Amino acid sequence: AQSVTQLDSQVPVFEEAPVELRCNYSSSVSVYLFWYVQYPNQGLQLLLKYLSGSTLVKGINGFEAEFNKSQTSFHLRKPSVHISDTAEYFCAVSERGFQKLVFGTGTRLLVSP
Amino acid sequence: NAGVMQNPRHLVRRRGQEARLRCSPMKGHSHVYWYRQLPEEGLKFMVYLQKENIIDESGMPKERFSAEFPKEGPSILRIQQVVRGDSAAYFCASSPQNQGALGETQYFGPGTRLLVL
Repeated sequence: AQSVTQLDSQVPVFEEAPVELRCNYSSSVSVYLFWYVQYPNQGLQLLLKYLSGSTLVKGINGFEAEFNKSQTSFHLRKPSVHISDTAEYFCAVSERGFQKLVFGTGTRLLVSP
Repeated sequence: NAGVMQNPRHLVRRRGQEARLRCSPMKGHSHVYWYRQLPEEGLKFMVYLQKENIIDESGMPKERFSAEFPKEGPSILRIQQVVRGDSAAYFCASSPQNQGALGETQYFGPGTRLLVL
């Protein structure tokens, strides 16, 4: 069975500082990997996804993530955050050939001035 | 191009009542997924449907919960005889084709927040 671990429940950071949100997964088969963002009282919006190919994936709003197969990680990074990046971020995985997404418990990014 | 629509956005029910949650997928999408988000937790998969078919219901509770996606109209998640533990945000997502085979993105609606008194 797949599982996703987001080690940090909350990450406080100052505006314009870099940030990394960590995500580790476990699966015995090939997977697709996703990062979603959720703003308060809204649905989830896809930031980026890894299907195959280059391990560095660039997404919207200046975010990027790197797939590391040996460490089973898919950490999300942004070189300079904005106040508007304050939100909940979810890492998710799906096994190839299966439809359901398995989500981590989320990381709350708090950006302060 | 309208996104995934869910209604109602907020629903209050008393214990023992029924809750009906509706989801209209994005135009051109024929695959619908339902997820539940309990307070302070991530989303948990419930069910995956195509038009008139339930494909995967491995995440659905065995009792009181049912889902359908008729040929015409929205997908419905139905919870009978609600209990306080059913209080959660229920999200619907849609995709244009088989997400598992092609890595298609699931597009999420704004959710229905169910409160059981």
